[in-house]
Amino acid sequence: GQQVMQIPQYQHVQEGEDFTTYCNSSTTLSNIQWYKQRPGGHPVFLIQLVKSGEVKKQKRLTFQFGEAKKNSSLHITATQTTDVGTYFCAGSNAGGTSYGKLTFGQGTILTVHP
Amino acid sequence: DAGITQSPRYKITETGRQVTLMCHQTWSHSYMFWYRQDLGHGLRLIYYSAAADITDKGEVPDGYVVSRSKTENFPLTLESATRSQTSVYFCASSELDSDQPQHFGDGTRLSIL
Repeated sequence: GQQVMQIPQYQHVQEGEDFTTYCNSSTTLSNIQWYKQRPGGHPVFLIQLVKSGEVKKQKRLTFQFGEAKKNSSLHITATQTTDVGTYFCAGSNAGGTSYGKLTFGQGTILTVHP
Repeated sequence: DAGITQSPRYKITETGRQVTLMCHQTWSHSYMFWYRQDLGHGLRLIYYSAAADITDKGEVPDGYVVSRSKTENFPLTLESATRSQTSVYFCASSELDSDQPQHFGDGTRLSIL
C-alpha cells in the first residue's frame, strides 16, 4: 500500500532559527495536505497542494510540492514559540488500492527553545 | 472546531469490555473518518464513511466496528477491548471527498488496562 515517510521525527530549534520538514511518498500523489497539531490538541488543516512544482506561502510558512508529485516540504522561517507542535503531511494516492484516501506521515515534532 | 464533537474525552476500561466512542458533526459533511494516533505511527485510518449507511475499512480496522445510521453521527465500537487498542482516537469529517481537507474533533484518550 501507499507509504508516506516524514523526516525528521523530532526537531529542536532555538527561537529565530529556521525549520524544515520533508515528506516522501512511494507513489505519485494527487494532492498533499499539511496539518499542525499543538501539544494536547487535534490536527488542524493548514494547506493543500495539488499541482506539480507548486509553492504556497502562509506568512512565515512555505510549502512546496515536488515536480514528480512524490515529495513535499514545509519550511518555517524564523521560528517562534507559537510554532511548537507536530506537523503532519498527508498524501492522497493518485491510483491503486489506496485511491481517494489520505495517508498521513508519522509527523515531525517541533520544539522551539526561547 | 465546534462543529465536530467527540465523547467521552477520556475513558479507562478493562480488557474484554465493549467500548463505544461517539462522534457528532453539525456541518452535514458527507465523509467521516476514525483515526488512531500512536507515537511513531502518526494518524492511521481505522474506518471511514462516505454517507449514511456506507462505510469502508481503512488501514487498521481489525477489532473495531462502525455504523452510520444518520449523517451527523459516526460511532466507533471496540467489541472486546485489548491493551493494544490503548490510543488517542480522532474523528474527522470532510465535505467534498475522502481525500480532501479534514476537520478533526478534540479526540478521545482511551486507556485499556
